[in-house]
Parts: sequence; structure tokens; C-alpha cells
Amino acid sequence: EPEVTQTPSHQVTQMGQEVILRCVPISNHLYFYWYRQILGQKVEFLVSFYNNEISEKSEIFDDQFSVERPDGSNFTLKIRSTKLEDSAMYFCASSESRQGAEKLFFGSGTQLSVL
Amino acid sequence: AQKITQTQPGMFVQEKEAVTLDCTYDTSDPSYGLFWYKQPSSGEMIFLIYQGSYDQQNATEGRYSLNFQKARKSANLVISASQLGDSAMYFCAMREEQGGKLIFGQGTELSVKP
Repeated sequence: EPEVTQTPSHQVTQMGQEVILRCVPISNHLYFYWYRQILGQKVEFLVSFYNNEISEKSEIFDDQFSVERPDGSNFTLKIRSTKLEDSAMYFCASSESRQGAEKLFFGSGTQLSVL
Repeated sequence: AQKITQTQPGMFVQEKEAVTLDCTYDTSDPSYGLFWYKQPSSGEMIFLIYQGSYDQQNATEGRYSLNFQKARKSANLVISASQLGDSAMYFCAMREEQGGKLIFGQGTELSVKP
């Protein structure tokens, strides 16, 4: 089965540094998502992306965050100046459509640790 | 507003027994999808089962079944014949028609005892 791939699997960074988390969605999918899961908490929606623009974002997704699809395959999440509270598992997901019946395929996640 | 509630932070079940994980939801959209994902300790999100709001029959996938009670807005996951490998976090999630994003519940941590 095709899968969503995320790199790196673990990222350690110093507070205030910029990080870029990378994702390769499934090739024929058109809708892309980033989610965050702080340790021991539920999975939270950050942003959805379609047709090269953000279609929806949560209140967590402030000006420190940005997303980009720089080429035909990669989908990136950038955090400009990391804070301690950005430490979390970040999941990328993709789907063929935005219909309720369509499941999201998740990557294995990037564990971000901000020191 | 969309809302998913899982009221069981943790559950224990004996190996080979069945277990039910509860999930209730709230939406004003008549068309939506309900999902269950499994998250083992390794962290990845594994899709288990899906139920559409207009589906007449409860969804089943192997040992997983979804007890869908639309009037009560509940979508409980039933795991039959539990195995040690079923020990994991389980998340219920909902996606509204044309809504795009998936909204997750708080999760239930299932521990299967030998």
C-alpha cells in the first residue's frame, strides 16, 4: 500500500532555531495536512493545504508556522523560531479528497524536541 | 461545533476477551465519516475502521467492528479476541462532509493482559 513518508523521524533543536519538517504525501493525493501531538495528549489539527494554498488552519498555527509545497512531491512545515512548547510529535497526512468518507493516510511522524 | 469525546482514558482487557472502546460525537452536519486509529508505542497512526453516517450496517474489519448508534451519536469500537499486540492508544475521529480535516478524541489507552 502506498504510504506517506516523513523525515527526519527525530529532530532535536535549540530554542529559537528554525526547523523544517518534511513530508512526501501519496502521489495522487491532493489534500495535505499537518497535525501535532504533545506527549500524552490528543492529536491536534494544525493546517490543511490544497491547490498550493492553505485551506484551513487552527489557532495553534500562528505566524511562527508556515507550510509549503516546493515541488511536486514534498510538503513541508516550517517553524521559524522554536519554543519549548513546540516539542511534540508532528504528523503529516494526505487524502485524495476532502469528503467525509475519505480516510487520511498518516506518516510515521517526526518527534521534535526543543531544548 | 465539531466534537469527539472518548471518556475512557485507560482500559484493561484479558487476552482473548472482547473489549469496547467508547466514542461519542457531536455535529450538525448530516453527512460525516467516523474513524478509529490505533497508535502503538512506536508512535505511528494506523487506520483501523471507517463508518459513514449514511451506512445502514455497522462496519467490520477483521476483529474490529464499529457499533454505530446514530441517534445516540456514538461510534464505539469493539475488538474481539484481544491480543497482546492490541495494547496501544486508540483514537476516535470524525470528518464532516466537505469539511476536510479530521478531528480526534482524547484517546483511550488499552492494555491487554496475558
